[in-house]
Amino acid sequence: AQSVTQPDIHITVSEGASLELRCNYSYGATPYLFWYVQSPGQGLQLLLKYFSGDTLVQGIKGFEAEFKRSQSSFNLRKPSVHWSDAAEYFCAVGAYQAGTALIFGKGTTLSVSS
Amino acid sequence: GAVVSQHPSWVICKSGTSVKIECRSLDFQATTMFWYRQFPKQSLMLMATSNEGSKATYEQGVEKDKFLINHASLTLSTLTVTSAHPEDSSFYICSASPPDSPYNEQFFGPGTRLTVL
Repeated sequence: AQSVTQPDIHITVSEGASLELRCNYSYGATPYLFWYVQSPGQGLQLLLKYFSGDTLVQGIKGFEAEFKRSQSSFNLRKPSVHWSDAAEYFCAVGAYQAGTALIFGKGTTLSVSS
Repeated sequence: GAVVSQHPSWVICKSGTSVKIECRSLDFQATTMFWYRQFPKQSLMLMATSNEGSKATYEQGVEKDKFLINHASLTLSTLTVTSAHPEDSSFYICSASPPDSPYNEQFFGPGTRLTVL
């Protein structure tokens, strides 16, 4: 069955420190992978996506993610975290077939300490 | 990029009343739209897949008679929560995918927060 696992429920990092949020997926074919960010009470904002090609994907707000097929992972990274990055982060996997929904991980809450 | 809107952004209603939430694709036609539900501090759970001109496909455990979905046009899908109760209070999010999207990329609406008193 298709699934997405985000092992870390809550992470706290110091402002200016680097960040890595983990995401592992289970999917029978080549997955399409996404990272979304959600601020409290807000909708989802797409940070980045991977469909094919270069396995290191650049996104908005200085985020990047690396697709590692051998590890079934798509971890999100940022070299220097800002206080405004505090939010909920969701990893999602999708299929290439039209009309299929995304499957979301349970999310990781990021807190940023000063 | 493709834009999806939702209306209303928030709604408060009394227990026992019905509430309709609209999801519109503003600059593309969507043969398929998806409805998700998100409880506080939890992830998005797919409720149903809405197909234009046909009945929606509901996920296991989602009551069809309680959550009525209508996809009457290629740009509009509605979710009606019938006889709402406090346990239906949640954040409802829709998404849609342009039919010509090469990777089935989906675009999300801003969500509707429903509070049932």
